[in-house]
Amino acid sequence: DTAVSQTPKYLVTQMGNDKSIKCEQNLGHDTMYWYKQDSKKFLKIMFSYNNKELIINETVPNRFSPKSPDKAHLNLHINSLELGDSAVYFCASSRTGHGYTFGSGTRLTVV
Amino acid sequence: GQQLNQSPQSMFIQEGEDVSMNCTSSSIFNTWLWYKQDPGEGPVLLIALYKAGELTSNGRLTAQFGITRKDSFLNISASIPSDVGIYFCAGQFNRGSGNTGKLIFGQGTTLQVKP
Repeated sequence: DTAVSQTPKYLVTQMGNDKSIKCEQNLGHDTMYWYKQDSKKFLKIMFSYNNKELIINETVPNRFSPKSPDKAHLNLHINSLELGDSAVYFCASSRTGHGYTFGSGTRLTVV
Repeated sequence: GQQLNQSPQSMFIQEGEDVSMNCTSSSIFNTWLWYKQDPGEGPVLLIALYKAGELTSNGRLTAQFGITRKDSFLNISASIPSDVGIYFCAGQFNRGSGNTGKLIFGQGTTLQVKP
């Protein structure tokens, strides 16, 4: 029944590794997003996809690559992980004219 | 780029008190949203505002979309312990039709309620 679900909830990995976070929404929304929340709780948009098309790509290192196989899924792949990538990553979705629905987050810790 | 200033950063209040927090922006938005985040969870939408001057309530929560479109406030009346959490304002500017404008968040207000 979860509207926006992302996996895994926790991810601990070593520097230099490559990892992926998956997101799925069952709300029928046509736009999906990735946000990063830092240690000070600040939320910043990273990417946005509308009907599988990339529409927002903020200043994010190109080690981060989003992929949307269909409009219900938006995955985030991160190459060569660095200590500064440690944060909570939130997936969200929305439909035209309405607020976002967020997933419960993936806490990434790079050691 | 667009920035939102949210204040206060934190509040520690007694149960039963009213709470007020606000956000101001350097540029206009055509949508203002208020979210609450509990520990270990994602932000949950509390109130959405779509018109300048709009005043909307959701139970004990009341929010207003400033007439200049550059500010919004959230009031919580008669606070209870479960109001504890981080409250975020967010603004969105949609260009034309559709919902492709990104959501810009304030820095958050951490609310603690003493029973």
